[in-house]
Order: sequence, then C-alpha cells, then structure tokens
Amino acid sequence: EDKVVQSPLSLVVHEGDTVTLNCSYEVTNFRSLLWYKQEKKAPTFLFMLTSSGIEKKSGRLSSILDKKELFSILNITATQTGDSAIYLCAVFEGAQKLVFGQGTRLTINP
Amino acid sequence: NAGVMQNPRHLVRRRGQEARLRCSPMKGHSHVYWYRQLPEEGLKFMVYLQKENIIDESGMPKERFSAEFPKEGPSILRIQQVVRGDSAAYFCASSPGQGPFDGYTFGSGTRLTVV
Repeated sequence: EDKVVQSPLSLVVHEGDTVTLNCSYEVTNFRSLLWYKQEKKAPTFLFMLTSSGIEKKSGRLSSILDKKELFSILNITATQTGDSAIYLCAVFEGAQKLVFGQGTRLTINP
Repeated sequence: NAGVMQNPRHLVRRRGQEARLRCSPMKGHSHVYWYRQLPEEGLKFMVYLQKENIIDESGMPKERFSAEFPKEGPSILRIQQVVRGDSAAYFCASSPGQGPFDGYTFGSGTRLTVV
C-alpha cells in the first residue's frame, strides 16, 4: 500500500530558529513530491520536486528530494510566527492522485 | 481568476440527512479531485472526475457516497444518510489536464459537521 510518513508530527520552536521537516515515502508509481502549507483552510502549494539532489528555494524555505533513499526534507530558516502551520508532504502516485502524509504541526513561539 | 470555489464553507447536518458539497473548478480546468481530511490527519484522495466521467473512485467509500461532474455546472459530492464519522473537511482541487504538473490548486474546503 502506498504511504507517506512525516516526522516529527509536532514541533515547537522559538522565533529565529531553523527547522527541518522530514518526509519519507513508499509509492508504487512515483512521479513527484510536493510540499504544502495549511493554515486552517486550503493547503497552499510550496514546492514540487521531481529530480534528486536539486534544491528548490523560496525565501527562507528550501526543499530537496532523495529518490534513492525515498525521502525529502523541508527547511525553514530564521522562523517567524507566521510560519506556524501544518506542513503537508504529498506524492503523486501515477499522474493524478496525491498521497498525503499526516502532516507536521509547526508552532513558532515569539 | 476566482480560483477553485467550494460551497458551502460550513455545513451542519443531522444524522440520516443528505449532504451536498459543490465545487466549481478554475476557469479552463476540466479535471476535478475530491479529498477528505479527518481531524488531525492528512488529506485522503476520494475521487477524480473529468466532465461527465468518473476516472478514479478508488478512495470513495462503497456506500452512501457519490460524485458527479456534469457537462454544465459544478462538481457535486453527495453523502446520503450521514453519520458522525462523516464529519470532516472536504477539499476539491482542479487541473487543466493530465499531470504531473506544478500541483493542483485546492479550494477552501467545506467543513461538514454531523450532529
């Protein structure tokens, strides 16, 4: 059965800290891996990763994929209270269907 | 572009009633996906539809749940005889065609509460 596992499930840090969120996957027909941020509403798209070893970066957020070890990490540097959210990792199984992990709840304390 | 529109945003139903959730895809998108999110869990795929066709319903419960995407109008997710366990957030997403692509866009969801 296809599965995506995120860790940790919950993380509390202070503003300014750097955090690393983990995502491992076992999917029969892997196409790409996506990261989303969810704040009490719809998930908003952060990154899509298709190739191993190529870092994607957007401001203080970055992500990388390792297709040999079947995992991805999402890094957030110099965290701010606005980064508090649930971060979801998902994998495209085949062309259309996303398999989601259970999410990491990140809390940034001032 | 108004994005993916879902309504209602919140829906309260008593056990045994029917729930109808609507999703209007982004302009130009002909593919719609429904996902369910139970409290403290990730999203789970339910069904993938194109206009007038169900392409993949492998995530749909076998009973009480149905989905359609007619030629005209929004996609509808219908839950008959709702039970407390149906309480969840239901998200819809749309895409212009076959993927993979830069992730599809989600609507704001419908939060269904069964009392």
